[in-house]
Amino acid sequence: TQLLEQSPQFLSIQEGENLTVYCNSSSVFSSLQWYRQEPGEGPVLLVTVVTGGEVKKLKRLTFQFGDARKDSSLHITAAQPGDTGLYLCAGAPVSSGSARQLTFGSGTQLTVLP
Amino acid sequence: GAGVSQSPRYKVTKRGQDVALRCDPISGHVSLYWYRQALGQGPEFLTYFNYEAQQDKSGLPNDRFSAERPEGSISTLTIQRTEQRDSAMYRCASSQLAHYGYTFGSGTRLTVV
Repeated sequence: TQLLEQSPQFLSIQEGENLTVYCNSSSVFSSLQWYRQEPGEGPVLLVTVVTGGEVKKLKRLTFQFGDARKDSSLHITAAQPGDTGLYLCAGAPVSSGSARQLTFGSGTQLTVLP
Repeated sequence: GAGVSQSPRYKVTKRGQDVALRCDPISGHVSLYWYRQALGQGPEFLTYFNYEAQQDKSGLPNDRFSAERPEGSISTLTIQRTEQRDSAMYRCASSQLAHYGYTFGSGTRLTVV
């Protein structure tokens, strides 16, 4: 059982469409991070959310941290082919006692078709 | 350096041989992490260091895996008596002590034949 469950696992959409991907857990996190990974490269940090209910925007990407700090979502507006990649959420559960060692979700593979 | 550097980029080895994977973190980054990643999946934690001290090695699969960071900078992940199931992408990441975002390297693709 994954500590962080991401859904959907795969998503293929047309350019210009909107989408939302989810990261859920039964554990409470002090913070959650979102990464994007392109083929052949390592994950690249997009954002860190820290406060329950927090919303952060990064151009067309909107990240939200759940009020209970157990889940997060990533919404992309008007997706572009350049958004294609593996989106990963990651965090350290409060119960682990370590804020430094991140657990990663299994990822959402997004493909945006031109 | 400007980024996290891993070497070699690709390693093919025969079953039973030992391999050493190297990670050179961003200069000044106190924390260094090793992960293993299957294709299309999220990274799986192996071990991490603060400075030269190994803080957690609970993710190492068995005692054939070991890691060190003797001077608090470059780290080596060693796999002894490699098996085919060890084939994977091994990723290193580093972070500043007070900053939780990781910077990943491009990884080492290990293939055991």
